[in-house]
Amino acid sequence: DAGITQSPRYKITETGRQVTLMCHQTWSHSYMFWYRQDLGHGLRLIYYSAAADITDKGEVPDGYVVSRSKTENFPLTLESATRSQTSVYFCASNGASGADTQYFGPGTRLTVL
Amino acid sequence: QKEVEQDPGPLSVPEGAIVSLNCTYSNSAFQYFMWYRQYSRKGPELLMYTYSSGNKEDGRFTAQVDKSSKYISLFIRDSQPSDSATYLCAMSAKGGNQFYFGTGTSLTVIP
Repeated sequence: DAGITQSPRYKITETGRQVTLMCHQTWSHSYMFWYRQDLGHGLRLIYYSAAADITDKGEVPDGYVVSRSKTENFPLTLESATRSQTSVYFCASNGASGADTQYFGPGTRLTVL
Repeated sequence: QKEVEQDPGPLSVPEGAIVSLNCTYSNSAFQYFMWYRQYSRKGPELLMYTYSSGNKEDGRFTAQVDKSSKYISLFIRDSQPSDSATYLCAMSAKGGNQFYFGTGTSLTVIP
């Protein structure tokens, strides 16, 4: 199916563990984004990527690592999870930077115990 | 100061009412303005997209942009219970790589 998918949809982990959230899009969009959504803060940009092998920090990048070896995939890794990283994570993509609308995945609900 | 400010609500209205949702922003470089609707436990979905100033209408929804006041609005006419969701405004600059979101307004339409 065309679109943007995220996996897993739900994840519970422990403090200090490494966690990777996956994002896959089938549109061949150049741009991909990772956001976290928390009550009172709305959507905050973690990292974004303009193309394969090009990534850049957003508003809240600390504690996160991204890579983009293929255009369609943009995994987000929490190297050593902390409780403050408990959140809902959304991946998004678009084709032409700010001139194009973003399309969001269904989200991953992450709980760090 | 945040780039985009949005009243979080919550907003509760009776079915059939006209709803007005608003955002203000500080960056005069913003040219693209969007409204997203987000149902509970779902990802945001695009509702309206506007370039520069003016109005745009789509069915019961009207988006307005006033760049001189740095103010955007979304109007929902004849609101329905199915409109109950969180509405997020978003904006970006021409040639920019990032989108800036409001915190979202929670709307409940009571039957």
